[in-house]
Amino acid sequence: DIQMTQSPSSLSTSVGDRVTITCRASQSISTYLNWYQQKPGTAPKLLIYAASSLQSGVPSRFSGSGSGTDFTLTISSLQPEDFATYYCQQSFSIPRTFGQGTKLEIK
Amino acid sequence: QVQLVQSGAEVKKPGASVKVSCKAAGYTFTDYYIHWVRQAPGQGLEWMGRIYGKSGGTNYGQKFQGRVTMTRDMSITTAYMELSRLRSDDTAVYYCARSMVRGVTPFDYWGQGTLVIVSS
Repeated sequence: DIQMTQSPSSLSTSVGDRVTITCRASQSISTYLNWYQQKPGTAPKLLIYAASSLQSGVPSRFSGSGSGTDFTLTISSLQPEDFATYYCQQSFSIPRTFGQGTKLEIK
Repeated sequence: QVQLVQSGAEVKKPGASVKVSCKAAGYTFTDYYIHWVRQAPGQGLEWMGRIYGKSGGTNYGQKFQGRVTMTRDMSITTAYMELSRLRSDDTAVYYCARSMVRGVTPFDYWGQGTLVIVSS
């Protein structure tokens, strides 16, 4: 199985900050990497697919980059509605696997 | 519009089985996979397996092999996930999500989740 490791696990941050979350795969997954946002009590929401493609309707302050084993999700200017947990997920092989999540908290 | 609507919450005793449904609408059911992902309280996301709408072919996570069965009924565009021999650590919210068959295949639409509580 491909292991996905995110860092940090949590981040205390403020509105307007630039935030970067990293995700590392245990083997190369090309650009088969997706990012999701989850708010408490709701289903995850797709933000970024294929490492850098913005899902329709997602604000442009979200961006993704990377290929192979190292990936990043960047939020250029954090908004109040962005405080949530973020997960990376590989869709290179079965079983699909997720990172452990990164929780953004208000400083 | 695309919708995945799941069945309601369940409370089960250890050793019992649970069957969760996922009704798909707004797209061609046979062109996509339905995946099942669970989330234990306060924990992350765990992939359980997937079923192809057209053929009914399945792939299961090794952890769930022998305990999970995924089926679908094309006539009512509904997928099902049955988990047997329930244990307390199966208490979780269970989500269905769809993905395309080819390409990067992210989970672009999700159901609202079904809470399953396993308790004696």
